[in-house]
Amino acid sequence: DQQVKQNSPSLSVQEGRISILNCDYTNSMFDYFLWYKKYPAEGPTFLISISSIKDKNEDGRFTVFLNKSAKHLSLHIVPSQPGDSAVYFCAAARWGAQKLVFGQGTRLTINP
Amino acid sequence: NAGVTQTPKFRVLKTGQSMTLLCAQDMNHEYMYWYRQDPGMGLRLIHYSVGEGTTAKGEVPDGYNVSRLKKQNFLLGLESAAPSQTSVYFCASRRDGILGYGYTFGSGTRLTVV
Repeated sequence: DQQVKQNSPSLSVQEGRISILNCDYTNSMFDYFLWYKKYPAEGPTFLISISSIKDKNEDGRFTVFLNKSAKHLSLHIVPSQPGDSAVYFCAAARWGAQKLVFGQGTRLTINP
Repeated sequence: NAGVTQTPKFRVLKTGQSMTLLCAQDMNHEYMYWYRQDPGMGLRLIHYSVGEGTTAKGEVPDGYNVSRLKKQNFLLGLESAAPSQTSVYFCASRRDGILGYGYTFGSGTRLTVV
């Protein structure tokens, strides 16, 4: 039972344009949502998070949007840069839980 | 640099062999995790620990054992390796408190079982 789903295995975007990565979840009890970025041969690194009491969180070029009614979150990267090329994982957890549940990941490629 | 260190980085095993993957963190984190990453499957939790001397099963625990004898170390053991255990293994840790702060991951161990 995949509770967190990233239905797009890959995404290609031109440098300078907006990248939008999507994530859907099935468990309405999730309270926290996070995005991780992973480069080849490295571990994932934390990028940005949002709690269920918000619908938007910004950090520089990165913005995460949460639509609780649709059980959907998205990560916007504006403007996209070549260094943003990586695999992006979304993750979720309930308050008080001990572990994150991860999606399958989306490989983002930024083309010059 | 403070962080999570995984040993070894690469390993090739023959079917039936055993090995132990070591994860060490120097951030005094209470929680530690072992994940495996496979194409199209994302990160799946194998085992985790909520403190020294504790362990618990994750989504895919079969074929693996773990130990947390010291707070800073979390060991993942494969008693009899199988080709299905070919994967990239990531260790992670986090401090106590709300999960929204996320994990700190190690750089991974690439294991091939032939």
